[in-house]
Amino acid sequence: QVQLQESGPGLVKPSETLSLTCTVSGYSFSSGYYWGWIRQPPGKGLEWIGTIYHTGSTYYNPSLKSRVTISVDTSKNQFSLKLSSVTAADTAVYYCARSAAAMYYIDVWGKGTTVTVSS
Amino acid sequence: EIVLTQSPGTLSLSPGERATLSCRVSQSISSSYLAWYQQKPDQAPRLLIYGASYRATGIPDRFSGSGSGTDFTLTISRLEPADFAVYYCQHYGTSLTFGGGTKVEI
Repeated sequence: QVQLQESGPGLVKPSETLSLTCTVSGYSFSSGYYWGWIRQPPGKGLEWIGTIYHTGSTYYNPSLKSRVTISVDTSKNQFSLKLSSVTAADTAVYYCARSAAAMYYIDVWGKGTTVTVSS
Repeated sequence: EIVLTQSPGTLSLSPGERATLSCRVSQSISSSYLAWYQQKPDQAPRLLIYGASYRATGIPDRFSGSGSGTDFTLTISRLEPADFAVYYCQHYGTSLTFGGGTKVEI
C-alpha cells in the first residue's frame, strides 16, 4: 500500500526558502503516477501548488509559479518542494499527494506537515 | 480562471438525516473533471467521488455525486456520526482548483 510522508523544517523565517521532501513507500516511484504538493492555511481551504512526473516534467499553479520549484529523486523515491521568498501568508499545512495525471483528482495524500513562517 | 463556489458554508443536521451539498462552477466543465473530498480535523482530505459520480475505492454507497455543466451535488443519504466533517469539491483537467468547503456539523 502506497504511503507518503512529508518532512522538513516546521519554522521558516520570512524571505527565506521553504524546503520540504516527500518520501514515497510501497510503490515504485518510476512506475508512473504524478506527485504533487497542496497546502492549506490555518482554518482555510486547499490550494494546489504543483505537480511533477518521475521524468521531471513539472506543472505549477500560475499564482505561485515564480517562487516554486518541485524536483524528484527517483533513486530515493522522493520528491521535493522549494518555495522561495516566503511570507506569513505561506504559513500552512503542506501535503504531498499522488494523482494519475498532471491535472487530476488526488487518490493518495500524505498526513501533512505544518510550516510556520515567522521570525 | 475557474472558480468553485460551495454552499452552504455550514450545514447543521442530525445523524440519519440527508445532506445535500452544492458546488457551483464559474464556467461549464466536463462532468468527468469534478471530484469531492472529505476532511476531518487534523487529517488529510480523503477522496470520495471522482468524475462527478464515481465513488472512490472503499467509499460507502450512502455517498453519491451528481451534476453537470456548472452545478454539481454531493449527497449523503443518511448521515452517520463519522460523516460530520468538511467537504471540498475540486475541478481538474485544465487546472486544479478547490471550492471553499462545506462544513457538515451536528
